[in-house]
Order: sequence, then C-alpha cells, then structure tokens
Amino acid sequence: DAGVIQSPRHEVTEMGQEVTLRCKPISGHDYLFWYRQTMMRGLELLIYFNNNVPIDDSGMPEDRFSAKMPNASFSTLKIQPSEPRDSAVYFCASSFLGDTQYFGPGTRLTVL
Amino acid sequence: GEDVEQSLFLSVREGDSSVINCTYTDSSSTYLYWYKQEPGAGLQLLTYIFSNMDMKQDQRLTVLLNKKDKHLSLRIADTQTGDSAIYFCAESSGSARQLTFGSGTQLTVLP
Repeated sequence: DAGVIQSPRHEVTEMGQEVTLRCKPISGHDYLFWYRQTMMRGLELLIYFNNNVPIDDSGMPEDRFSAKMPNASFSTLKIQPSEPRDSAVYFCASSFLGDTQYFGPGTRLTVL
Repeated sequence: GEDVEQSLFLSVREGDSSVINCTYTDSSSTYLYWYKQEPGAGLQLLTYIFSNMDMKQDQRLTVLLNKKDKHLSLRIADTQTGDSAIYFCAESSGSARQLTFGSGTQLTVLP
C-alpha cells in the first residue's frame, strides 16, 4: 500500500503567488483531512471531506484558502494570494469510515 | 472546547523507560491516539486506546488511560536512540473522529 501521497514535498514561493498543494488518499478511504502545522499553533485541522463532500471547513483560516476534492483519489488545497504567515507544513490524512487517520509526509511551504 | 495538553520536553538515558503524559478535556472522546513524528517526516500512528479501556500494551509501548482524571500516558520500555522524536497525543470526537492534537513532547534519548 502506497499510503497517503502528497506533492510537492517542498514549495517556496513569493508573497502574492498562488500555491496548490495536492493529496492522494489511501485507496478505499472515504474521509480526507487537511491539517496545518506551525510552531506557534501546533497541528490544526483545516477542513475534512467525506465521500468527496466538504463537511467541516471551520478551521480554514480565511477566504484565501480553498480546498476541493473532485474525486475519491485526489484533493487540492489552494492558497491565493499567499502570505508569509502561511508558511507551515501542510498534512493530508485519510481514514476509512472515520477510523484511524493515516498521514502523508506533508508539504513544507515557505512564502517569502 | 477541546483541549489537549502535554509537556514539551523529556530526556531519558538509553535503556531507561520513558513516560509521556497527556491530559484532555473532552469527556466524550471515543478514542485517544499517540502519534510519532521524526524530523522532516509526517505523523506515524503508534498506538491508540478505546475510551472504555484503561490499559493497552503493544510490545515496548504501554498506554494507560485514567478516564476519571482525563489523563493518558505512553510508556516506552527500553528506550532507544531511534525513539528520539516528537510524540503527539490526540483525542477524537465526532462521526469522523476529528482529531485534536496536543502540542507534542520532544523526547531526547541520551546515549
């Protein structure tokens, strides 16, 4: 099993640019979660999907952030425009029927 | 709201036991988890315990749960240098078992 796959692993961009992070969940999993990890705030849940439908996006920091899940095997988290305070590690996780969550390796985002 | 607290740092000697503690506030938590994060890596599930249990053992790992005090601990027996990492406690709630994480405990194993 390949596990949760995220790309890119590292992203460096300039303030104001659009950033798209990608996630492929474990095959057969019906829940997908996006988390952000920073030194100041730790691990925060941003949004989660069930069967490709966004269920709770209350953790999304502001309108510059958006997430989509067009099919069961792919999700994106987009930041437009990006700001230096968005610099963090973004994790995707998936689970089956709300069981144990398995995490991807993360995308380290640096906004200059 | 939910809150999970952990001490930030723990240092032990190689071969000793490590005990990492965690307190949580949500009494409706169904499962409690321990994840391990090595530098530059994602979160690796170590173990979990169902809320109606008070102990779970898995090789070198022992999880103790005191539901009355909302206290969770992870004991690592015979700690090795490869155990050096950040350990996160997490409580789950809701139909999706959304996770609320503690701040993580940095475990340093000294030779």
